[in-house]
Parts: sequence; C-alpha cells; structure tokens
Amino acid sequence: EDQVTQSPEALRLQEGESSSLNCSYTVSGLRGLFWYRQDPGKGPEFLFTLYSAGEEKEKERLKATLTKKESFLHITAPKPEDSATYLCAVRGNQAGTALIFGKGTTLSVSS
Amino acid sequence: DAGVIQSPRHEVTEMGQEVTLRCKPISGHDYLFWYRQTMMRGLELLIYFNNNVPIDDSGMPEDRFSAKMPNASFSTLKIQPSEPRDSAVYFCASSNYEAATSYNEQFFGPGTRLTVL
Repeated sequence: EDQVTQSPEALRLQEGESSSLNCSYTVSGLRGLFWYRQDPGKGPEFLFTLYSAGEEKEKERLKATLTKKESFLHITAPKPEDSATYLCAVRGNQAGTALIFGKGTTLSVSS
Repeated sequence: DAGVIQSPRHEVTEMGQEVTLRCKPISGHDYLFWYRQTMMRGLELLIYFNNNVPIDDSGMPEDRFSAKMPNASFSTLKIQPSEPRDSAVYFCASSNYEAATSYNEQFFGPGTRLTVL
C-alpha cells in the first residue's frame, strides 16, 4: 500500500533560522513526488514535482530534494510569510493519476 | 484563468439533510478530483474523473456519497443523508495530464467547509 509520512508534525523557527522538513514514502513505482503549500482557509498550492532520485528543485528560499525513500524540503533563512502547512504527496503505479498525501508539517516562523 | 471554483464556501446543515457541493474545473483540464480534509485523517482522495468518466471511487466512504460530472466544466459531490462525521473541508482539484512528460500538476480550489450539526 502506498504511504507517505511527514515529520515533524509542527516546526517553529526564528526568522533566518534554516531547517528541513522530511517526507518518507513507500510506493510501488514512483511516478512523481509533489510538494504543496497550504495556508489557513485555502486550498493546497503547488510548489514542486520531483521524478527521480537525485533530482533537486528550487524556488526562492525553498529547495526540494529526492532520494529513493524520502524527500526533504529545505528552507533557507525563512521569513514569517513562509509560515504555512507543507504537504507532500506521491503518485505511484497503483494509484493511477491520483495522489497520496501525507498529513503535513505546519511551519511557524517568528520575527 | 480564474482557477478551480467551488461553491458554496461554507455550508452548515442539520443531520439527515442533503448536501450538494459544486466544482468548476480549470478550462481544458481533463482530470477532476474530489478530496476531503480533516485534522485526524489529513487530505484523502474520494473520487476522480477523467474526461467526465469516474475512474476510481474507492475513496468514497459509503453509499451516502455520490459524485457526478455531467460535462467538462461542472461536477457535484452529494451527501444524502448527511451525518455529523461528514464535517470536513472538501476540495476539488483539476489537472491536465501530459503522457509524454508524466506532467500532472493538480490545481486545488479554495474548498467548501461543511459542518453537519
């Protein structure tokens, strides 16, 4: 069964304090690992898709990396506006084009 | 493009009543997904359509839930009768799958917050 586990559940950082969020997955034939950002009261907003181990993608202060068992979302020098819940999802062979989501990491950045 | 549109944004109803949630996907997208989000279970896929045809409804919790997509620009999720445990945020998402690249980014709507008393 395809499964996604995110850690930690919650993370509190000071502005400028870099850190990483973890997404561990088990999937039969990975066809994409997705990172989304969700602000309170809104739908998830797409950030990145990674397809193969060793792949990396960057967007402003965020950098996503992928291995065969996990993905990391690195946040460099975060700002208060980076505060949100970050969701990880995978698409495998069994799920067709559907995504299996983790429960997310809620990030709070204080100034 | 206005993005995925959902209505209503908030719905409060009493147990036993029928609830209908609506979704307009992004024009040109050929996949439509219905998700449910709760604190306990996170974001769960309920059902998805490809070219208006239901492909996988294994996530629909029980027969009280039904979904339709009569055309490419409209879908409904109906709960009849509703129960307090159905209280959650329901999201609709759409995507345009490109076989050559396996590109399948899903765009989410703002969600409908359902409260069943």
